[in-house]
Amino acid sequence: GNSVTQMEGPVTLSEEAFLTINCTYTATGYPSLFWYVQYPGEGLQLLLKATKADDKGSNKGFEATYRKETTSFHLEKGSVQVSDSAVYFCALNVGQAGTALIFGKGTTLSVSS
Amino acid sequence: DSGVTQTPKHLITATGQRVTLRCSPRSGDLSVYWYQQSLDQGLQFLIQYYNGEERAKGNILERFSAQQFPDLHSELNLSSLELGDSALYFCASSVAPGLNTEAFFGQGTRLTVV
Repeated sequence: GNSVTQMEGPVTLSEEAFLTINCTYTATGYPSLFWYVQYPGEGLQLLLKATKADDKGSNKGFEATYRKETTSFHLEKGSVQVSDSAVYFCALNVGQAGTALIFGKGTTLSVSS
Repeated sequence: DSGVTQTPKHLITATGQRVTLRCSPRSGDLSVYWYQQSLDQGLQFLIQYYNGEERAKGNILERFSAQQFPDLHSELNLSSLELGDSALYFCASSVAPGLNTEAFFGQGTRLTVV
């Protein structure tokens, strides 16, 4: 079946530290991959996406590259800010009838000043 | 603001009761999704509708049902509620189902069953 595995959290970093949140997936066919972010008390917002192998999605300093050979889509940011504290979800969509966005369990990021 | 509206924001009810959660999708979006978010299970896909028709079903209990109306709003009905149904229920919408489709999420309804 289709599934997403994210690294366990929480991840605790100091401001300006480098961030990596690992995400690997299992999917039939060739999925599109997404990172969503959930700030406290809010719904999920799309952070970035990649639709084919070797695509790099980027937004607000975050980046992730679609690696088909390792079935991975790791999220990175060079210098985190306190305002990046949130829960990050990796997700995939195989685009087949009868399926929808499948999410990982989420990784909580806490950034301190 | 994602443009997806969910009501109510909070709901407290007793075990055995029935509740209805409502979702208005973004203007122009034909597809609606329902997700349940709990601490132990994470974000679980429940069901998807497209233009009034059920399109995909996930881990939705038989006690739960949903529908999408002609004006495209959707309702999720939860009945015979149990303590374990306490969770955050999200609605999301998209233009259409599809491989590259971005889903826009509402702020959720927090259901507490006591």
